[in-house]
Amino acid sequence: QVQLVQSGAEVKKPGASVNVSCKTSGYTFTNFYIHWLRQAPGQGPEWMGVIDPSGSRTTYAQKLQGRVTMTRDTSTDTVFMELSSLTSGDTAVYYCARGPFRGSNWYNYWGQGTLVTVSS
Amino acid sequence: EIVLTQSPGTLSLSPGERATLSCRASPGVGSNYLAWYQQKPGQAPRLLMYGASTRATGVPDRFSGSGSGTDFTLTISRLEPEDFAVYYCQQSGGSPFTFGGGTKLEIK
Repeated sequence: QVQLVQSGAEVKKPGASVNVSCKTSGYTFTNFYIHWLRQAPGQGPEWMGVIDPSGSRTTYAQKLQGRVTMTRDTSTDTVFMELSSLTSGDTAVYYCARGPFRGSNWYNYWGQGTLVTVSS
Repeated sequence: EIVLTQSPGTLSLSPGERATLSCRASPGVGSNYLAWYQQKPGQAPRLLMYGASTRATGVPDRFSGSGSGTDFTLTISRLEPEDFAVYYCQQSGGSPFTFGGGTKLEIK
């Protein structure tokens, strides 16, 4: 069955960077885009960007351009999301997610979430 | 950016009642690009509907979706105890793919 398993919770200081991983299994890794979303406490989810694991092409939300980088490792079927120059506004649960079709931009498979806390 | 506004913010109903949740898009979005999710505390969102009216795999038929353009509706025909949660709409018609602020469905 399809599984997305994320790395554990992180606590970071303002100005630092965080790297969250999402290990996939149960399907052909290069056949489906992986999206990253985050959800601040009490808010709706926010889309951060998407990576095509077949060729590493990425598209990022404009508000995060320059701070977010998504990469993939085809040897381990894992995608990574790095967010730099963290502020308290980046405190959120971060999710990787996949849709039912290669190019779908709605999500029926989600990772379990990774809490990132930014605090001095 | 397409802004999605959900109403009401909180809906208090009893099991067995009918729930009607609204999602308004500005500017409008094609019906193929509107999805609904259910989220319970401590869990990731669960896809309920996509293409405005197509139920995702395993979603009970008491859930239905409708709408086009700027106005979309999620209806739960007869509430079960497990339906009390937060519901979000999402548009995928234009980047960034945005979500509404959510409707909390609580037990009256």
